[in-house]
Amino acid sequence: DTAVSQTPKYLVTQMGNDKSIKCEQNLGHDTMYWYKQDSKKFLKIMFSYNNKELIINETVPNRFSPKSPDKAHLNLHINSLELGDSAVYFCASSQPLQDYTGNTIYFGEGSWLTVV
Amino acid sequence: AQTVTQSQPEMSVQEAETVTLSCTYDTSESNYYLFWYKQPPSRQMILVIRQEAYKQQNATENRFSVNFQKAAKSFSLKISDSQLGDTAMYFCAFMNPLALNYGGSQGNLIFGKGTKLSVKP
Repeated sequence: DTAVSQTPKYLVTQMGNDKSIKCEQNLGHDTMYWYKQDSKKFLKIMFSYNNKELIINETVPNRFSPKSPDKAHLNLHINSLELGDSAVYFCASSQPLQDYTGNTIYFGEGSWLTVV
Repeated sequence: AQTVTQSQPEMSVQEAETVTLSCTYDTSESNYYLFWYKQPPSRQMILVIRQEAYKQQNATENRFSVNFQKAAKSFSLKISDSQLGDTAMYFCAFMNPLALNYGGSQGNLIFGKGTKLSVKP
């Protein structure tokens, strides 16, 4: 069973559209994340969410919004897609990171978004 | 702000030989985590190994081991007995688990730009 799963794995869409990527984790983790990997393969965090608090990387446009129906799911909604949004988006999860006993962050398989 | 540098964009190694990937980082923190993640062509991010900064002993996972030099802020990955399946991008990553004040996110993994490793038969 996949620990962190994302759908769809591939998505091709036109500029201006709105799309969502779903993420589910079955690890019982309390904290989930979205990371973006650009065309140069550079990975950067977009959001972290622990069922109580959403922390947003201030460089993320407000066209991107995470939605969490429950602690096992964190979906990513993107409005008015732009060419520059083309990237691989990774969902991830971990236990809450407290002191220095926090767990490792586990990644999903990625969702490859292409905006044309 | 923390930064992670991987100075080798690409490397290659013959099957069964040993290769070392380098990583340096910059931080003023004394306690943190360091990771190596592997990304094969499938794009999945797979944890290879993890090191807690407060542990002096170098982490080991089967054929993978690290050389953690805290004073030098160096965290290299050694792959022994390289296999064809080791062909992938390898990312070094830093995390301060209490980094609520560093650019936004607790659990913010700061990644290097990656090293593309090719294992040749």
